[in-house]
Order: sequence, then structure tokens, then C-alpha cells
Amino acid sequence: EVHLAESGGGLVQPGGSLTLSCATSGFTFSGYWMSWVRQAPGKGLEWVANINVDGSEIYYVDAVKGRHTISRDNAKNSLYLQMSSLRAEDTAVYFCARIGDSGSLAYWGQGTPVTVSS
Amino acid sequence: DIQMTQSPPSLSASVGDRVTITCRASQSISSYLNWYQQKAGKPPKALIYAASSLQSGVPARFSGTGSGTDFTLTISSLQPDDFATYYCQQGYRGPWTFGQGTKVEIK
Repeated sequence: EVHLAESGGGLVQPGGSLTLSCATSGFTFSGYWMSWVRQAPGKGLEWVANINVDGSEIYYVDAVKGRHTISRDNAKNSLYLQMSSLRAEDTAVYFCARIGDSGSLAYWGQGTPVTVSS
Repeated sequence: DIQMTQSPPSLSASVGDRVTITCRASQSISSYLNWYQQKAGKPPKALIYAASSLQSGVPARFSGTGSGTDFTLTISSLQPDDFATYYCQQGYRGPWTFGQGTKVEIK
């Protein structure tokens, strides 16, 4: 069974940093592109970043470019999102997802909440 | 960026009703259109990929059609478990973008 579990969320001050992790199991992690998606409180879904199978191709939404870094460790079956220079508008639940056909987000974790506030 | 516009933003329907949600892209996205269902406090669940292909385990009452710029998600006979918010998403060109969501409520 495919399983994704995010961790690392919490309360951080504006300008601070946080690293999110996504532990995976139930599939060959090294064979799939992965993604981070976020959802601000009461709002819709926003795609954040994609990474290919070996980390050589990475894409970001403009809102996080230069501040957030997606990475992966295929030996640990884990995905990461390093977030820095955090702003109030980064407050959201962050989901990791496995990418499938047609750019679909076929499997999702439960999400980890990030709150940026002083 | 490709804008995705869903309609209606919300709808009220009864169990057994046929429900249709539309999604329009600001430019052609071929068939790179995906649909998700999300319930309060839960992660989204993938329903349909490539405009019309059902994800594994999704009931056959869900179906998707369309290509280019105009797409629809249809629930043939609404069930109690289907009351949720539905999102479309394009995977054609970065940045990937979602529609604003359609909330399906009980009439």
C-alpha cells in the first residue's frame, strides 16, 4: 500500500526557516517524480514544487522560488522541502504527493501545518 | 500561467442527482486535466487523470470528459459520501495550477 507521511511543520517567525520531510513506503520511491502542494487556511490548493526521479530536474511556483528548496534522498525513500525567509503568506498545510500520469497527483500524504507568525 | 476556472463555485444537490462540474483552461492543455475530491480536514483524493481515466478504486459513477480548454466532471448518481469539494488541475505546463474548487453540498 502506498503511504506518504509528512512531518516537520510548526510555528515559525517571519524570516525564519523550516524543513519539511515526507517519508514514503509501499512503492519504488526512486522511480517517481514527487511534488509539494500547499493549502492556506480556508483556501484552495496551490502547487509548490516538483522534483524528478534523481533530483536533476526541479520546478517551483514563482512565489517560493529562491526561498524554498525541494530535494530527495532515494536511499531513505524521503522527500524534503527546505523553507527559508518565511512569510505570513507561506502559512498553509503542506502536502507531499506522488506524481502519476498526465501530471496527476495520484497519492497524497495527510499534510503538515506550517504557521508563520510573530 | 494557465488559469483554471471552475463552475459553479458551489452547488446543492440531493442523493441520487446527476451532478456536473465544469473546468475551463485559459489555453489548450490537450488532455492534461486531473480531478480531485477533498473533504474537510483531509488531503485531496485523486479521482480522474488525463481528463477521462478513472484512478484505481474510484467508483464508476464518476466520469470525466473534455480536451483542449473545456472539461467536465460528472457524478451520475450522487451518494452521501460524495459531498465534498472538487478541484481540477492542469499538468500540461508549469506552473501546475488548480481550479478554485466546487463545493457540493446537501440540498
